[in-house]
Amino acid sequence: GENVEQHPSTLSVQEGDSAVIKCTYSDSASNYFPWYKQELGKRPQLIIDIRSNVGEKKDQRIAVTLNKTAKHFSLHITETQPEDSAVYFCAASKNFGNEKLTFGTGTRLTIIP
Amino acid sequence: DAGVIQSPRHEVTEMGQEVTLRCKPISGHDYLFWYRQTMMRGLELLIYFNNNVPIDDSGMPEDRFSAKMPNASFSTLKIQPSEPRDSAVYFCASRSTGTRETQYFGPGTRLLVL
Repeated sequence: GENVEQHPSTLSVQEGDSAVIKCTYSDSASNYFPWYKQELGKRPQLIIDIRSNVGEKKDQRIAVTLNKTAKHFSLHITETQPEDSAVYFCAASKNFGNEKLTFGTGTRLTIIP
Repeated sequence: DAGVIQSPRHEVTEMGQEVTLRCKPISGHDYLFWYRQTMMRGLELLIYFNNNVPIDDSGMPEDRFSAKMPNASFSTLKIQPSEPRDSAVYFCASRSTGTRETQYFGPGTRLLVL
């Protein structure tokens, strides 16, 4: 089955700096890659997603890049703010999300004021 | 829409007792997922349904766990008998094939088995 690895497990950045979280997947048939943000004690919430027919997608300060050949994708957060502090999960799915998501192990991002 | 609804939000029980977690998906969604989240194992998919039919239960840890979806608006996850290692946050999520691929998570049930 699919295996998703996520790095780093923890990340601290100064407020205003950029943060990058990387994931690799094993199944070349995976074609949908969402990113979820989970604040302490809350539910995971989708922040951005990308399909395999697109190499990059942006939404304000958040962007995701995908390299299908290398089977890796990354989350980029620019101009970080304290409210960006949370655990971020990447995931992968086949059939454009019509099958189960396999999640990475999460990255705890801390923004230092 | 009220979003995915889960009950109870918190459950404390003693080892050996039966535990039933409940989920109401977003109206119109045809997929329902049960996840378990722990510090050690992260976010694990236990089982998911499509149109009330279980599609993949390979994540169900053992026979003590069972899940049902008797209709499109209700699902249960049952643990019988419960053990301390079942302590975790259990999330239910739903999505629709008719729209984008997003899974929407419920608020979770925090289970503590003593």
